[in-house]
Amino acid sequence: NAGVTQTPKFQVLKTGQSMTLQCAQDMNHNSMYWYRQDPGMGLRLIYYSASEGTTDKGEVPNGYNVSRLNKREFSLRLESAAPSQTSVYFCASSGRGEKLFFGSGTQLSVL
Amino acid sequence: GNSVTQMEGPVTLSEEAFLTINCTYTATGYPSLFWYVQYPGEGLQLLLKATKADDKGSNKGFEATYRKETTSFHLEKGSVQVSDSAVYFCALRGPFSGNTGKLIFGQGTTLQVKP
Repeated sequence: NAGVTQTPKFQVLKTGQSMTLQCAQDMNHNSMYWYRQDPGMGLRLIYYSASEGTTDKGEVPNGYNVSRLNKREFSLRLESAAPSQTSVYFCASSGRGEKLFFGSGTQLSVL
Repeated sequence: GNSVTQMEGPVTLSEEAFLTINCTYTATGYPSLFWYVQYPGEGLQLLLKATKADDKGSNKGFEATYRKETTSFHLEKGSVQVSDSAVYFCALRGPFSGNTGKLIFGQGTTLQVKP
């Protein structure tokens, strides 16, 4: 049972480059989330999708866009990467309960 | 607004020692409270939760009690093992966030247990 799968695991970008982080879940969950994890700050919610076809901003959405492609997939796009976006990114999903299931993360460095 | 504050780490203990990781929160109304654990190289996993005052969440020997009067949700374990070495996150879900995974996380506390 794969759970939540994120790709890539590691990425290095130059300032101004764009990229898309991919996330897929196989648990038939309605809700999906993107969090970023920074040292000393815990995790902060970037965007979430309560159900297929809907997306909403979280605490730190600036500089990001998301797409809920279907029920399984929720991608995060950086249109023009900045050094402040250097972080570890986690995708998560949840079903009817509030328990979050996390992927293993993407470590992104923006130079 | 809602916030969570955890004790700073790292916390270093010897095997079989008693563990306490402090967590306090600020929230309007009655939030739900959670502890998540992150093992090296992995995503976070739910460890335990409590949804109302005086509830005690427990799992794998860890416990935490929802204390409304002190706005706290401290994590405890009577005897830690090397395998408990991880980063522990306290989190809350505000009462107006519905039954969702929109959580406010603390900054995390690293626990290192030495044999």
